[in-house]
Amino acid sequence: GAVVSQHPSRVICKSGTSVKIECRSLDFQATTMFWYRQFPKQSLMLMATSNEGSKATYEQGVEKDKFLINHASLTLSTLTVTSAHPEDSSFYICSASDPGSRDTEAFFGQGTRLTVV
Amino acid sequence: LAKTTQPISMDSYEGQEVNITCSHNNIATNDYITWYQQFPSQGPRFIIQGYKTKVTNEVASLFIPADRKSSTLSLPRVSLSDTAVYYCLVGEDYNQGGKLIFGQGTELSVKP
Repeated sequence: GAVVSQHPSRVICKSGTSVKIECRSLDFQATTMFWYRQFPKQSLMLMATSNEGSKATYEQGVEKDKFLINHASLTLSTLTVTSAHPEDSSFYICSASDPGSRDTEAFFGQGTRLTVV
Repeated sequence: LAKTTQPISMDSYEGQEVNITCSHNNIATNDYITWYQQFPSQGPRFIIQGYKTKVTNEVASLFIPADRKSSTLSLPRVSLSDTAVYYCLVGEDYNQGGKLIFGQGTELSVKP
């Protein structure tokens, strides 16, 4: 199946700084990618839909100015957590599906564990 | 997007067959049913997808009754490595940009 890769897998940052997380589709082009957040012992929560060449669509309650999403190419979407605070510490996961494939499932990155200290 | 309901947790022993049932009473005509597996600190991994009746692949079977208001994921002869959280999702064809709404999932614990 298709491969989606995230980087970094873990990051620790100081409160008030910004952190960028990359999500790449390695063997296919993705016009749409999705960003999720997962707190310990909880399910994945959809944060936003990343659209190549246009603005991201954010879910209700997700601050677009805090979680900046850029989808500048068909294989890369980035999520920047700006002015991070300890409550932003979470597991961030991206996903994409391969429009050129017969497969209809979504492929997920391995996730990024963000710890804000 | 249809809401799903699953048991929060299940216990099993190695070698047993495990069946996890998911309710999705409000499933729409265009919705598929998809199951994902997630290990701690990893992204979810696709297990199986179906629309109706029965689907089988190398790792699992998916049973969907005619009314499609529920589905059952069947894992044959589980091993310790099958300990994970299993999510049932219902939504449109993802190749068309459908987004996934995760329910609480079922935490499966396989014991020796």
